[in-house]
Amino acid sequence: EAQVTQNPRYLITVTGKKLTVTCSQNMNHEYMSWYRQDPGLGLRQIYYSMNVEVTDKGDVPEGYKVSRKEKRNFPLILESPSPNQTSLYFCASSGRTRGQETQYFGPGTRLLVL
Amino acid sequence: SQQGEEDPQALSIQEGENATMNCSYKTSINNLQWYRQNSGRGLVHLILIRSNEREKHSGRLRVTLDTSKKSSSLLITASRAADTASYFCATDAGAAGNKLTFGGGTRVLVKP
Repeated sequence: EAQVTQNPRYLITVTGKKLTVTCSQNMNHEYMSWYRQDPGLGLRQIYYSMNVEVTDKGDVPEGYKVSRKEKRNFPLILESPSPNQTSLYFCASSGRTRGQETQYFGPGTRLLVL
Repeated sequence: SQQGEEDPQALSIQEGENATMNCSYKTSINNLQWYRQNSGRGLVHLILIRSNEREKHSGRLRVTLDTSKKSSSLLITASRAADTASYFCATDAGAAGNKLTFGGGTRVLVKP
């Protein structure tokens, strides 16, 4: 089954404690992306990756890091989380050619930073 | 500011009625996509319409695109209680791969 998985699904942490949210897709997609969703603001892109070892900032990259060492994985790293990073996070992937632009979303990771 | 802005922000209808929501955007696009999100869950792709298309259908969904007005509409016909969800438009301006810029969404409640 084609899918995007994220772990963990729920996470409560404290300010400053480094954390990683994993994302994996099994569709051999080149493009992967991280979004955060906050009430009234829709989804905002944090980082994206066009392919292995190619990453770039989205609209709200501050306080986040990513890596793309393998095609299927795109972890999101919060080196020193702060309360304003409390949010619902989604990973997504898609192909890059015409007809493959549909993005497939993971189930989301709800993060609370105390 | 957001590329896509949905209108209305919330919509309440009776089962069997049609639901229409609109999306406006600011820049030129390659395509516009509509997604659905059930409460707290991931987004599910509904339909994609390219910049050279004006209308597209998928089951009970009908999407229109007017690039001269930079707007799109999503019509759900004969709504069902299971259509209760938030609906988002997202534009692909093609500037960076498949980057999508989302609007704030329309919350639709279909009452049985």
